[in-house]
Amino acid sequence: GAGVSQSPSNKVTEKGKDVELRCDPISGHTALYWYRQSLGQGLEFLIYFQGNSAPDKSGLPSDRFSAERTGGSVSTLTIQRTQQEDSAVYLCASAPSGGTYEQYFGPGTRLTVT
Amino acid sequence: GENVEQHPSTLSVQEGDSAVIKCTYSDSASNYFPWYKQELGKRPQLIIDIRSNVGEKKDQRIAVTLNKTAKHFSLHITETQPEDSAVYFCAASISGNQFYFGTGTSLTVIP
Repeated sequence: GAGVSQSPSNKVTEKGKDVELRCDPISGHTALYWYRQSLGQGLEFLIYFQGNSAPDKSGLPSDRFSAERTGGSVSTLTIQRTQQEDSAVYLCASAPSGGTYEQYFGPGTRLTVT
Repeated sequence: GENVEQHPSTLSVQEGDSAVIKCTYSDSASNYFPWYKQELGKRPQLIIDIRSNVGEKKDQRIAVTLNKTAKHFSLHITETQPEDSAVYFCAASISGNQFYFGTGTSLTVIP
């Protein structure tokens, strides 16, 4: 079946502009995660959605970052007033319910802020 | 919150030798410990995982060990091959909620 997809694959934006990144999880997966990976670095947790529960936003680095998940499926990560330090690869992952825990990652969106 | 440390940051081995990567974690409530392989420009892929009720798990040339008392877990790759060259990440999670990742180990297998 289809894996996790993300769009766009690459995004170049000017400093100060807003961007929206999209994640389509695997159908039926109840958990969805957003991570940020800077060049040569590890994965930084941003936000976690589980079913209809309130999301865990504890990893969002500032109030310029927000995310939503509509209908328990597609998720959008929004970065307002982008800064150069926001340049990174943004990865989305989904996982099934039932205690499996295994995450399946999308290909990522490479964001470059000029 | 959880803090995961990973060592070494880079590792070079001769083809056929073994490679060991070690991680420590801080939160004793963490109960799920996956390892991911990330090739250049690609997404992370799960290669093996272990839960806190198990001390060791093996899958062909890859094994993971967990010491809950000391709060550390390790990845062992035997009979390394050039295609094992990649960045490896460990992570810790409480029941699949937040995942905290180590900073990665760049493994190079020299033919």
